[in-house]
Amino acid sequence: GDSVTQMEGPVTLSEEAFLTINCTYTATGYPSLFWYVQYPGEGLQLLLKATKADDKGSNKGFEATYRKETTSFHLEKGSVQVSDSAVYFCALSDPMNTGNQFYFGTGTSLTVIP
Amino acid sequence: ETGVTQTPRHLVMGMTNKKSLKCEQHLGHNAMYWYKQSAKKPLELMFVYSLEERVENNSVPSRFSPECPNSSHLFLHLHTLQPEDSALYLCASSPHVGNYGYTFGSGTRLTVV
Repeated sequence: GDSVTQMEGPVTLSEEAFLTINCTYTATGYPSLFWYVQYPGEGLQLLLKATKADDKGSNKGFEATYRKETTSFHLEKGSVQVSDSAVYFCALSDPMNTGNQFYFGTGTSLTVIP
Repeated sequence: ETGVTQTPRHLVMGMTNKKSLKCEQHLGHNAMYWYKQSAKKPLELMFVYSLEERVENNSVPSRFSPECPNSSHLFLHLHTLQPEDSALYLCASSPHVGNYGYTFGSGTRLTVV
């Protein structure tokens, strides 16, 4: 079945450090891939997405490239800020799946310290 | 303002109480969802509604009862819950069921005592 695996946290970085959060997936078809962010006390917000292989999603300095050969969608940011502290969720939606749902990873907590 | 509004933000209830969670969206979306978010566990899809019709029920105990009176409103009625039901309950909507990004509400933090 479909699934998403993302790196365990928590992750703690200093401001301006480089961020990578790994995400790999398993899917029966050709999924769309997403990163969501959850700030403290809030729901999930869509951060970026990619709908086909080699697409790069980007938003607010974050990027992720849909790699079909490695079934990955790693999230990166070149220089993190304190305001980036949040929980990040990788997710996929597989149109070949007869179920009507997204598959979310367990989330990776990021804390950025000044 | 995310476009999906959930009330209340926080709820404490006893195991014998009956309460309801409310979700409202005015994005013109046709699909609405209830998710449960527990610590250190993946988001769990509970219910999916498309145009007010339930299309998925992921083996959720009957003490959780959803209601979708129209495409803009979704309720989750709670009855004789257990302490392990304490979690953040998230509502989401999307243009249609399927391959679209969801818009989430801020959630209701439920504590069962």
